[in-house]
Amino acid sequence: EVQLVESGGGLVQPGGSLRLSCAVSGFTFSSYSMNWVRQAPGKGLEWVSYISASGSPIHYADSVKGRFTISRDSAKNSLYLQMNSLRDEDTAVYYCARGAYCSNGVCPLSSFDSWGQGTLVTVSS
Amino acid sequence: DIQMTQSPSSVSASVGDRVTITCRASQRISTWLAWYQQKPGKAPKLLIYSASGLQSGVPSRFSGSGSGTDFTLTISSLQPEDFATYYCQYTNNFPYTFGQGTKLEI
Repeated sequence: EVQLVESGGGLVQPGGSLRLSCAVSGFTFSSYSMNWVRQAPGKGLEWVSYISASGSPIHYADSVKGRFTISRDSAKNSLYLQMNSLRDEDTAVYYCARGAYCSNGVCPLSSFDSWGQGTLVTVSS
Repeated sequence: DIQMTQSPSSVSASVGDRVTITCRASQRISTWLAWYQQKPGKAPKLLIYSASGLQSGVPSRFSGSGSGTDFTLTISSLQPEDFATYYCQYTNNFPYTFGQGTKLEI
């Protein structure tokens, strides 16, 4: 069974930092691209970041570019999101989501077929 | 960036009804579109990929159609468990853009 479990959320002051983790199981993590998606309270879904199976390329939404860093560790079957210079508007539930199966170094872009349960990040003084 | 606009923002329906939700892209996107269902407090669930592909395990009462700029998600006979919020998503370039959501209410 495919499982994705986020952790690391919590309350942080504006300007602070937080590192989210997503532990995966049930599939070959090193063969899939991964994403972070967030949802502010009562709002819709916003894609945040993408990382290919190999770790490159990486893409970010304009709203987080220069402040957030996505990374992955295949030895630990884990995806990460380092969030710096946090703002009130970063308050949201953050989900990790699986992208496409990658073959021979090629990762097609795709929908997200498996999601974690989410972790809440609250930015407030 | 490509913008995705869903309509309506909310819809009321009854069990057994046929419901259609629309998603319009600001540019032609071929069939690079997905649909998700989200229930309160839960993660989104993939229903439809590539505009009309039914994700494994999703009931056949869900169907998707369209290409270019106009897409629809149809639920042929609403079941109690279908009352949720539905999102479309552009899936072929960055940023991956979601529609604003359509809330399906009893």
